[in-house]
This record gives sequence, C-alpha cells and structure tokens, in this order.
Amino acid sequence: NAGVTQTPKFRILKIGQSMTLQCTQDMNHNYMYWYRQDPGMGLKLIYYSVGAGITDKGEVPNGYNVSRSTTEDFPLRLELAAPSQTSVYFCASSRSRNTGELFFGEGSRLTVL
Amino acid sequence: QKEVEQNSGPLSVPEGAIASLNCTYSDRGSQSFFWYRQYSGKSPELIMFIYSNGDKEDGRFTAQLNKASQYVSLLIRDSQPSDSATYLCAVTNYGQNFVFGPGTRLSVLP
Repeated sequence: NAGVTQTPKFRILKIGQSMTLQCTQDMNHNYMYWYRQDPGMGLKLIYYSVGAGITDKGEVPNGYNVSRSTTEDFPLRLELAAPSQTSVYFCASSRSRNTGELFFGEGSRLTVL
Repeated sequence: QKEVEQNSGPLSVPEGAIASLNCTYSDRGSQSFFWYRQYSGKSPELIMFIYSNGDKEDGRFTAQLNKASQYVSLLIRDSQPSDSATYLCAVTNYGQNFVFGPGTRLSVLP
C-alpha cells in the first residue's frame, strides 16, 4: 500500500499565482486533513473532510480551498499565492476523527516569492 | 482557543539517559492524547497514544497522563542518537479535531 501520497514535493510560486496540491490515500479512510507547518509552530489545520462531498474549515483556512469528490482524493487549492503561504504542507488521513492514528503524506514544501 | 503547549527545546540528553518530554493542554474536556515523532525534513509518525490517567508503556517509551493537572508526558528510556527528532504532542476531544503543540526538539548526544 502506498498510504498517503502528496504531489508535488517542492514548488516555487510567484506572488499571485495559483496552484493545487494533490493528495490521495489508498486506505479507504473517511477522514482527511490538510495541515501547514511553519518552523517552530507545530501543525495548523487548514481544512478537513469527514467523507466524500463534505469539507469544513480548520484553524487557518484563509487563502485556501478544498474539494472531496471521492474518498481517495483531497486536493488543496491555493488562490492568489502570498508570501505568508510559504510553508510545508502535510496531507493526512485517519479511520476515525479523534481516536485513531493520523497517517501523513511526505509533505509539500511551498515557497512563494 | 484550545491550546497545547510544549517546551521548544532543544532538550539535550546523553546517550543512555532518560529523556522527559512534557505537554500541557487547555481543554479540560480532552479525551485522547498522542505523541508523534518527526525527523528533520520528514512527516510526523505516531509513537504513542494514551486515553486514561496513569502510565502506558511501549518498549523504551512511556506515556504519562494526568487529566486533573492537564498534563501529559513522554519518557524515553535508554535514549539513542536515533531518537533525536522533534516530538509533537497532540490532543483531541470527541467530535473535535487534533490540536498539535509546537513540538520539542530532542538531541541525544553520543
């Protein structure tokens, strides 16, 4: 099993550009999450989904959008990139919302210049 | 705003010593507590979880929970250089999402 797969691993954007971070999981997990991690700041939840067709905002959703058309895929869209969105992004999935293990992708390092 | 706090470190311990990592949380209703290890440039991986007050042991790792004091800790016995990483504490409540602390960087010196 591949687990949680994120692409791309690295990306440099110019201010105002848009892009989509892809995330797919093959564990048939209902719950999926997008986090960002800034140095020394831990993981901040951007958006999450409890199943196909259902998404909700996390702690830091501004400047991002998500969709969940299938159980497997949970892409994160950055609109009008800003330097404040320079970060490492992690996609994760879990079998349950708050009692089970979070399985993380390898991360996507995004730099906005 | 639910908060999870950890000392950022670095916490330096000699090889073979016990490393003690601490975490406090603000939501008194929190039910589940997790420790993740994150090597530099890698994604977090779960190493321990604990739901009940007291101690839980798994190999060289012991998680300790005190809900009255809103405190959870991770002890690593016989620390090895391979334990050098950032340790993230995560806390959650039923129907809520995980809240992560900022992490404590542990350095085990050979």
